[in-house]
Amino acid sequence: NAGVTQTPKFRVLKTGQSMTLLCAQDMNHEYMYWYRQDPGMGLRLIHYSVGEGTTAKGEVPDGYNVSRLKKQNFLLGLESAAPSQTSVYFCASIAGTGLFSNQPQHFGDGTRLSIL
Amino acid sequence: GNSVTQMEGPVTLSEEAFLTINCTYTATGYPSLFWYVQYPGEGLQLLLKATKADDKGSNKGFEATYRKETTSFHLEKGSVQVSDSAVYFCALITGGFKTIFGAGTRLFVKA
Repeated sequence: NAGVTQTPKFRVLKTGQSMTLLCAQDMNHEYMYWYRQDPGMGLRLIHYSVGEGTTAKGEVPDGYNVSRLKKQNFLLGLESAAPSQTSVYFCASIAGTGLFSNQPQHFGDGTRLSIL
Repeated sequence: GNSVTQMEGPVTLSEEAFLTINCTYTATGYPSLFWYVQYPGEGLQLLLKATKADDKGSNKGFEATYRKETTSFHLEKGSVQVSDSAVYFCALITGGFKTIFGAGTRLFVKA
């Protein structure tokens, strides 16, 4: 039972470098999400997707891009990393149809990213 | 807009003490309500849920009742264990596909 898998688990980058975080889910979920979690800030939504080929901005999208070329994968990119992007990043997915769901989210174990 | 407010932590209890973590919400429509738990170094996992008024969600000794009249979904456990030490998040989803999370409450349980 893999569920939601995030890679890598840890990464250290230098300011200005780029990288891509990968999220894969094997539950055939339509909706996928990227959050960042910072001390005292709770979870903040970066981007989300309501289906293959679609993406939309969340609360804090600046400095990030996403793609959902395949239903099971949701990629988060940092084009030019900044120290303010040091955080723990979580991917989540949710079952649902259309534009409505009352189902719980399934989370990955997170990617711990440090930008020096 | 939709929002979730939960009590600030940290909450520190001795083993076998009674736990209450308060959660209130503001929402249009008829939200589904959730409690998630996050153990150190892990992602959030669903602890329990309730989808309509007066429903009681329960799991692993934890309970929460969906109270529409007071817009509340307080988490309770009769006797906490050291292994319950974690961060607890109250959340709702309503009329869409975005979940609104509370800020989280950290619980420490001492042996």
